[in-house]
Amino acid sequence: LAKTTQPISMDSYEGQEVNITCSHNNIATNDYITWYQQFPSQGPRFIIQGYKTKVTNEVASLFIPADRKSSTLSLPRVSLSDTAVYYCLRKVSSGSARQLTFGSGTQLTVLP
Amino acid sequence: DAGVTQSPTHLIKTRGQQVTLRCSPKSGHDTVSWYQQALGQGPQFIFQYYEEEERQRGNFPDRFSGHQFPNYSSELNVNALLLGDSALYLCASSSTGPNTRDGSYEQYFGPGTRLTVT
Repeated sequence: LAKTTQPISMDSYEGQEVNITCSHNNIATNDYITWYQQFPSQGPRFIIQGYKTKVTNEVASLFIPADRKSSTLSLPRVSLSDTAVYYCLRKVSSGSARQLTFGSGTQLTVLP
Repeated sequence: DAGVTQSPTHLIKTRGQQVTLRCSPKSGHDTVSWYQQALGQGPQFIFQYYEEEERQRGNFPDRFSGHQFPNYSSELNVNALLLGDSALYLCASSSTGPNTRDGSYEQYFGPGTRLTVT
């Protein structure tokens, strides 16, 4: 499975909105886009998933344009505890391939 | 409701030894996947077990093997340890098998086992 492309790192300040963009030019028709968050020495935690348009939950929003070649994770009003690595993944929805393919992720650092 | 649990938390082994890591999936989950995460890298898929069989395998040598028990718990075994096997080993569980028809499949990760090979 092809990996996605996302910035290596981002800095933000408390209370700001953070947008992390992910590129997935070769996304397949059956692929979903999934975002995970990982704190040091912990396992990744599912944040949000979408196929197209906009998805919102209590943690974040995910914007996927019509061509689905990119997606943007939006974190509203970040706090220091949002400092973590954020992974954008393609997730195959058909067939027997169920593994998640992680890239290096985006290290988000929230500053006071 | 307990989430995914893994044991041990930390482990130190020497080169050439063998190691067994254990994972108990989240209640109600039947599929277990194992990942290796080197320092500063994203997790890399090792293999996945469903119905006590290995269903998918990543690019890892045969030194890495596993097992799933009838209660859905799983073990990861690594033989002939190398220094490069030092990593955080993550177990993830999910509630559907490999052939789910929608994309709602979500994996829950455990805290991992930190393996150090000296």
